[in-house]
Amino acid sequence: GQQVMQIPQYQHVQEGEDFTTYCNSSTTLSNIQWYKQRPGGHPVFLIQLVKSGEVKKQKRLTFQFGEAKKNSSLHITATQTTDVGTYFCAPSNTDKLIFGTGTRLQVFP
Amino acid sequence: DTAVSQTPKYLVTQMGNDKSIKCEQNLGHDTMYWYKQDSKKFLKIMFSYNNKELIINETVPNRFSPKSPDKAHLNLHINSLELGDSAVYFCASSHGIGPGVGQFFGPGTRLTVL
Repeated sequence: GQQVMQIPQYQHVQEGEDFTTYCNSSTTLSNIQWYKQRPGGHPVFLIQLVKSGEVKKQKRLTFQFGEAKKNSSLHITATQTTDVGTYFCAPSNTDKLIFGTGTRLQVFP
Repeated sequence: DTAVSQTPKYLVTQMGNDKSIKCEQNLGHDTMYWYKQDSKKFLKIMFSYNNKELIINETVPNRFSPKSPDKAHLNLHINSLELGDSAVYFCASSHGIGPGVGQFFGPGTRLTVL
């Protein structure tokens, strides 16, 4: 089956530092979604990427889709304590999302 | 108003019991899902319904039976609960058929089987 790995598994940063999580697939993806789950909360949709090489920004968050459409990344500039949570990539095939393994971000003030 | 709601929020029960989790969405979405999130936070789809019709059934034991009385509701009934069923179960919904552009998740039901 399709494997979707995210690295790193955990990341601890000091507030103000940058953070990046990478999502890698063994197969070419048609599109990819990103979700954030706060501790004790539920996944919340952030964005969808569709085109090869696409880059989208949401304030301090930058999302990128690889040229070969097999990987994606989420970069957060100058992290804040409100960024704490687990970030999931979720590539989709024709009928469902396959959630990645997630990257848990901890931000120390 | 809550977009996707689930009841109960917590469920603690003994092995062998039967239990149900209810889900409702008021977003007017066509498609609803059940996901299971285990203790390692892996999130895996179990079922998906579109307009009350089963679309996805992901090799889930047949002790799990979803029911969609209408497109705003998707309930999950679990028979003969086992220890390994302990997890957080999330309901979600999206517009249109397929994975949707952005799924809206409910708050989750934490099931503990003793």
